[in-house]
Amino acid sequence: DIQMTQSPSSLSASVGDRVTITCRASQSVGNSLNWYQQKPGTAPKLLIYAAFYLQSGVPSRFSGSGSGTDFTLTITNLQPEDFATYYCQQSYSTPPWTFGQGTKVEIK
Amino acid sequence: EVQLVQSGAEVKKPGESLKISCKGSGYTFTSYWIGWVRQMPGKGLEWMGIIYPDKSDTAYSPSFQGQVTISADRSIGTAYLQWNSLKASDTAMYYCARHAMRGMNAFDVWGQGTMVTVSS
Repeated sequence: DIQMTQSPSSLSASVGDRVTITCRASQSVGNSLNWYQQKPGTAPKLLIYAAFYLQSGVPSRFSGSGSGTDFTLTITNLQPEDFATYYCQQSYSTPPWTFGQGTKVEIK
Repeated sequence: EVQLVQSGAEVKKPGESLKISCKGSGYTFTSYWIGWVRQMPGKGLEWMGIIYPDKSDTAYSPSFQGQVTISADRSIGTAYLQWNSLKASDTAMYYCARHAMRGMNAFDVWGQGTMVTVSS
C-alpha cells in the first residue's frame, strides 16, 4: 500500500497568517492527491482534488501544489473558520486509497 | 440536492453482528463508487473499502479485508457496511462517501457519519 505522511502533525497560527502543510507519498501518485478539511463533530469536506483543483465553493485562499511524491496545501490569509484538521489522500491507480495522518491547525 | 444519509448510532455488545447503511439521493446512484471511512475516537481517517453499486465490484484495504463486508442494493440506492462479530476495537465513527472515478477521483460528498459503540 502507498503510505502518506503529513507534516507537521499540528501547528499554531494566527488569523491572517499563511499556513503550509506538506504531504509525502511513499511512491509516486502522479497528481492523484486530494485534500480534505474536518471540523470537530462533522464529516470531512473535500477542498482540493487532483493536487491543485479547487472544489466548487471552496475559498480561493486555499491552494494545492505538487506532483509525484511531494504535495503542499497552502492557506493564505488564515480565517477563524479555517481552524480544523486537514488530511491528504492519494487516489492513485487501484485501491486502497490511503489518507495521511492529519494536520491540526490551531489558534495561536 | 446530492446527499448521502446514513443510519443512526448503534450500541452493541462484543460478538454481535451489525449492518449500517448509507442512502444516496439527488444523483444516479449507480454512476459513482461509495467508500467507507473509519475514524476511531480522537484519531484520523482510515480508508476501509469501496463498492461500485452498478456491478457490486468491491475493493478493501488489507487492514479491513475479512473484517467487514461492503455491499449495495442499487434498487434502493443504498450501500451497507456489515460486521459478523463486533469487537470493542470497532468502536468508531463510520462515514460513507461518494467517489467519482473519472475526473475528480476523490470523495466529493460525505454522509453525516454513524457512531458505532461496542461495549459489554
